[in-house]
Amino acid sequence: DTGVSQDPRHKITKRGQNVTFRCDPISEHNRLYWYRQTLGQGPEFLTYFQNEAQLEKSRLLSDRFSAERPKGSFSTLEIQRTEQGDSAMYLCASSPPFASYEQYFGPGTRLTVT
Amino acid sequence: AQKVTQAQTEISVVEKEDVTLDCVYETRDTTYYLFWYKQPPSGELVFLIRRNSFDEQNEISGRYSWNFQKSTSSFNFTITASQVVDSAVYFCASQGGSEKLVFGKGTKLTVNP
Repeated sequence: DTGVSQDPRHKITKRGQNVTFRCDPISEHNRLYWYRQTLGQGPEFLTYFQNEAQLEKSRLLSDRFSAERPKGSFSTLEIQRTEQGDSAMYLCASSPPFASYEQYFGPGTRLTVT
Repeated sequence: AQKVTQAQTEISVVEKEDVTLDCVYETRDTTYYLFWYKQPPSGELVFLIRRNSFDEQNEISGRYSWNFQKSTSSFNFTITASQVVDSAVYFCASQGGSEKLVFGKGTKLTVNP
């Protein structure tokens, strides 16, 4: 059984550009979470999906951020008009049904906005 | 709202020393979970342990042990006979009535040979 995978692992972009990250959860995990981790801080919750429904969003998720999970499998996180403050590690996690306390994390996508 | 405080920003020890990482949590939930994760330099979060609020028994796993005390809202983590491979950032986290995990800011542990 493979773990949570994320692509790309690293992304360097110029301010103002749009970026999209992908997360593939562990198969049969119906819950998927996005977190953001800035340097020297712990991960902070952004949003989560149960199947294809986005059920909770943090106030950290500004209008420039959008997340989707169209078929209840993989998810994408898009950041429009990137800003230097968006530079962070974006972590994805998934959990099995009825066990949200078992969140398995992927390796993360490190975004650098220049 | 949940809050997790890890007062120790960085700890440096010499190999074979014992080290305790502190974690204090705040919650209004009667049912909640507490976690410890390890984040090595590679960046991936590695799950170490989960405890629920109804289980205050201490746990030992090899060189690792955890002390959960509801009376002081603490969930401390001790590494016995530390090794260089234990060097990492360790995060304490909680989960209450919501799906989200709330993390502390982490404690960077450096074990020197």
